[in-house]
Amino acid sequence: AQKVTQAQTEISVVEKEDVTLDCVYETRDTTYYLFWYKQPPSGELVFLIRRNSFDEQNEISGRYSWNFQKSTSSFNFTITASQVVDSAVYFCALSGGPGGGADGLTFGKGTHLIIQP
Amino acid sequence: DTGVSQDPRHKITKRGQNVTFRCDPISEHNRLYWYRQTLGQGPEFLTYFQNEAQLEKSRLLSDRFSAERPKGSFSTLEIQRTEQGDSAMYLCASSPPSGRRSGNTIYFGEGSWLTVV
Repeated sequence: AQKVTQAQTEISVVEKEDVTLDCVYETRDTTYYLFWYKQPPSGELVFLIRRNSFDEQNEISGRYSWNFQKSTSSFNFTITASQVVDSAVYFCALSGGPGGGADGLTFGKGTHLIIQP
Repeated sequence: DTGVSQDPRHKITKRGQNVTFRCDPISEHNRLYWYRQTLGQGPEFLTYFQNEAQLEKSRLLSDRFSAERPKGSFSTLEIQRTEQGDSAMYLCASSPPSGRRSGNTIYFGEGSWLTVV
């Protein structure tokens, strides 16, 4: 069964600090995809990144970076020099869950990130 | 490029009433999903369409729930005889065609908030 665990329910940091959001997943699939979404108070889920299981190369996009480690089944997300606008709930998700025949997603419970000015 | 559009954004209804939500996916996306999200939880899969065919339904989708996508474009989600436990945000999402499970990105709408009083 698919499972995504985001152990950090809430993180609060002061602006300009670096922060890492943890994500651990479980799957029996050999091919799968991992995602991060951002959900601001407005409610829309904003796509941030997709990573396939064959590509363990870390990725950096501006202040965002992602560390995928297959050996530990983790896909962690780091925000460098955090800003107040980064405040949101962040979800990690795994493909192959319900609706998996069409890339449906299994989500973690999310991490509420609070950036204090 | 227009994103996934949902209507209404907010709905307050009395217990026992029927409600209907509409979703307009991104143009040319043949795959459409409905998810439900309650406070403090990640989105949970409800159902999935490929074109007009409903290919998968979650056990969360009780007999009071029905979804349609009559022409393979927009979709409706109807909840009959609403209960207080139905209060949640209903998220629609779409993704482009894919020949096989390839991890295409799923794009979400802003959601429709339902409050049953």
